[in-house]
Amino acid sequence: GAGVSQSPSNKVTEKGKDVELRCDPISGHTALYWYRQSLGQGLEFLIYFQGNSAPDKSGLPSDRFSAERTGGSVSTLTIQRTQQEDSAVYLCASSSEGRQPQHFGDGTRLSIL
Amino acid sequence: KQEVTQIPAALSVPEGENLVLNCSFTDSAIYNLQWFRQDPGKGLTSLLLIQSSQREQTSGRLNASLDKSSGRSTLYIAASQPGDSATYLCAVRPRNQAGTALIFGKGTTLSVSS
Repeated sequence: GAGVSQSPSNKVTEKGKDVELRCDPISGHTALYWYRQSLGQGLEFLIYFQGNSAPDKSGLPSDRFSAERTGGSVSTLTIQRTQQEDSAVYLCASSSEGRQPQHFGDGTRLSIL
Repeated sequence: KQEVTQIPAALSVPEGENLVLNCSFTDSAIYNLQWFRQDPGKGLTSLLLIQSSQREQTSGRLNASLDKSSGRSTLYIAASQPGDSATYLCAVRPRNQAGTALIFGKGTTLSVSS
């Protein structure tokens, strides 16, 4: 597609459940980023993939969070044993390479009950 | 650790007014600075990107300046319109940090009344 696509757009789940969020970057973009936007916290970096290099996981808040990128394209962010503080909008971005402008998807709004 | 601050947090202006949004960052070692717009329930739309070697960038009614040595950037919006109402985010890409993730400010929420 023309832009970064994320699914689902909204997700409501119970505390303790696992969730998977999907990001489909712009075709040909080698760099992919996940960010989290929490109320009052602003946007914070979670994880970064560049080509076939090992991902930069320095922003993941706990070991309940993980992400993978299959075939250098689609990425999945997984949150295990969700907690209420995980409620946020999860945004994905891609760029043609690490230092070029990032293009963002519309995000997944995650609500943990 | 790089920190980005945006002032004011919120701004209300009547249609037609020129306005300035401010962004400051604590570490001048950056590759570039980017201004984004975010509409409610939507992702981020890139408005302007200024490389560290540049002083300003212009797009239509928008002009962004960068003073890297003082750690400041401004976004100037000329002849504001109700359609400009959104949250404006400033972000830097730091040099002295692993990876190339952006560091964001918390944004300025702009409301333009007709």
